Amino acid sequence: SQKIEQNSEALNIQEGKTATLTCNYTNYSPAYLQWYRQDPGRGPVFLLLIRENEKEKRKERLKVTFDTTLKQSLFHITASQPADSATYLCALPPSGSSGNTGKLIFGQGTTLQVKP
Amino acid sequence: KAGVTQTPRYLIKTRGQQVTLSCSPISGHRSVSWYQQTPGQGLQFLFEYFSETQRNKGNFPGRFSGRQFSNSRSEMNVSTLELGDSALYLCASSLRGDTIYFGEGSWLTVV
Repeated sequence: SQKIEQNSEALNIQEGKTATLTCNYTNYSPAYLQWYRQDPGRGPVFLLLIRENEKEKRKERLKVTFDTTLKQSLFHITASQPADSATYLCALPPSGSSGNTGKLIFGQGTTLQVKP
Repeated sequence: KAGVTQTPRYLIKTRGQQVTLSCSPISGHRSVSWYQQTPGQGLQFLFEYFSETQRNKGNFPGRFSGRQFSNSRSEMNVSTLELGDSALYLCASSLRGDTIYFGEGSWLTVV
């Protein structure tokens, strides 16, 4: 069955550095991959969507790569700030889905802590 | 543009009771999905409704049900509550069904 893995250990970095989070998946080829940010006690907030035919996508200080051969996505936050501290979740449509569904499979998330 | 609105925000119920949670999607969004989030299991998909029809269903027992109204507002119901149902219940809406936008969630505690 499909599986999504994110580093369960918290990532601690210094302000101003680049944070890199990893999302690995197995057993299928998703049409797209998404990244969400979640703050404690709040709902996830959509950040970026990258499609299978896109290698890289950027939005302000955020950059996402999607390697369908390695079955991996990397999520980068450049010039990180303490306000970037949160849990970051990757999500994929279910196996066999062509997309366009509100059903997503989420990773467990990686908690990022940016120290001033 | 108003976001996804969920009510109530917090509630405490007793084992065996039932609960109904409400969700108002972003205006114009016809797809509404529900998720359960717990520390142990993470975010898990419950079901999705589109134009008042259930389009997808997750692996939850029949005690979990939902519906969608003609104005796209949705409700989910959990009957015969168990302690393990304590969780953050999140509603999300989408326009095209790929990017989904979450509400702040309803915190349910079962005692």
